[in-house]
Amino acid sequence: QVQLVESGGGLVKPGGSLRLSCAASGFTFSDYYMSWVRQAPGKGLEWVSYISGLSTYTNYADSVKGRFTISRDNAENSLYLQMNSLTAEDTAVYYCATEGVTSRPYRFWGQGTLVTVSS
Amino acid sequence: DIQMTQSPSSLSASVGDRVTITCRASQSISTYLNWYQQKPGKAPKLLIYTASNLQSGVPSRFSGSGSGTDFTLTISSLQPEDFATFYCQQSYSTPLTFGGGTKVEFK
Repeated sequence: QVQLVESGGGLVKPGGSLRLSCAASGFTFSDYYMSWVRQAPGKGLEWVSYISGLSTYTNYADSVKGRFTISRDNAENSLYLQMNSLTAEDTAVYYCATEGVTSRPYRFWGQGTLVTVSS
Repeated sequence: DIQMTQSPSSLSASVGDRVTITCRASQSISTYLNWYQQKPGKAPKLLIYTASNLQSGVPSRFSGSGSGTDFTLTISSLQPEDFATFYCQQSYSTPLTFGGGTKVEFK
C-alpha cells in the first residue's frame, strides 16, 4: 500500500534553514507528481509546492517562492523540501502528498512533520 | 487565485443525521472539486474527487455533487467516526486552493 513518511521537522530560529524529507513506497514514485502542503497550528491547508515525476516542472506558492526549493530523488523514492530564510509564518505541519496538480487531487498523504520557527 | 468558501464553518449533529456541507468557488471550476476529511492530529484523507467520485475505500454514505461554482458534500447518515473537519479543494488551476474547513461536532 502507498506509504509516505516525512521527516526533518523541528525547531529553528528565524532566518534559519531546514530540509524536509518524504520517503515514499508502495507505488511507482517516478510516475507521479508530488506536492508539499502545510497547515499552521489551528488553521487550514495551504499548498506549498509541487514537482513533476522527472523533476521537469516545479511550482511554488507565492508565500515561499525564492525561499523554498522542492526536489526529488527517484532512485531513492524520496521527496525533499529545502526551506531557507524561515519566518514565524512558516510554522506549520508539513505534509507530503501524491499529485495535487491541475485536475488531480491529493490522493495520498504522509503523517506530517512539524516545523516551528521561533527564537 | 480561486477563492473557495465553505459553509457552515462548523455544525453540530447527531449520529444518524443527514449532513450537508457546501463549497463555493470564486469562479467556475467545472467539476475539479475534491473533498477531504481531517481528524485531529491526523493527515487529511481524500473522500471525493472531481465533485462526485468516491475514493476507493470511502463509505458510500459520503457523496458529492455540483459543478461550476457550487458544490455539496453530503453524509447520508452520520456515524461516530465521521466527526472531523472537512475541506473542499479546487484542482482547476494553480495555485490549488482549499476552503476554510467545516468542523462537524457532536450535538
